[in-house]
Amino acid sequence: GAVVSQHPSRVICKSGTSVKIECRSLDFQATTMFWYRQFPKQSLMLMATSNEGSKATYEQGVEKDKFLINHASLTLSTLTVTSAHPEDSSFYICSAEQGADSYEQYFGPGTRLTVT
Amino acid sequence: AQKITQTQPGMFVQEKEAVTLDCTYDTSDPSYGLFWYKQPSSGEMIFLIYQGSYDQQNATEGRYSLNFQKARKSANLVISASQLGDSAMYFCAMRLYNFNKFYFGSGTKLNVKP
Repeated sequence: GAVVSQHPSRVICKSGTSVKIECRSLDFQATTMFWYRQFPKQSLMLMATSNEGSKATYEQGVEKDKFLINHASLTLSTLTVTSAHPEDSSFYICSAEQGADSYEQYFGPGTRLTVT
Repeated sequence: AQKITQTQPGMFVQEKEAVTLDCTYDTSDPSYGLFWYKQPSSGEMIFLIYQGSYDQQNATEGRYSLNFQKARKSANLVISASQLGDSAMYFCAMRLYNFNKFYFGSGTKLNVKP
């Protein structure tokens, strides 16, 4: 199957700093990428949908200025958590799909963010 | 409003037996897809099976089958011949194609006993 990578897999940062998480589709071009957040022992919550070359569509309740998403190419999307706080600590997962006709989204391995 | 409901927070099954994980969904949109994912303790989401709203037959993928009952809005996952490696969290998800939205259920933790 298609491979999606995320970097870093784990990151610890201090409160007030910004953290960038990369999501790459390694062997296919992803027209759409999705960013999810997962709290411990909870489900995935969609944060935003990112299309290459256009602004991301954020879900209700997700702060655009805090979670900056850039989908600069068909293989890379980045999520930047700006001015991180301890409540932003979570597991962030991206997924990618190949095209409008593809029903399957391929998930990255996730990034565990801890804000101290 | 809850779009996807998984009513079983945890399930136990004996190795080599079959197990059914429940999932019900709520939408008035005619165009949707239903997914099941497995999430082991390592955290990655592993795609298991897909059912489109217009598919006439239940989806099957190896030991996984999806019991799709459209009128009841249920999409239960059946795992046959359970293996110890099946122990994980299982998430049911729905995609609404007209709105490009994904909704995940709360998950079911499956434990396979030897």
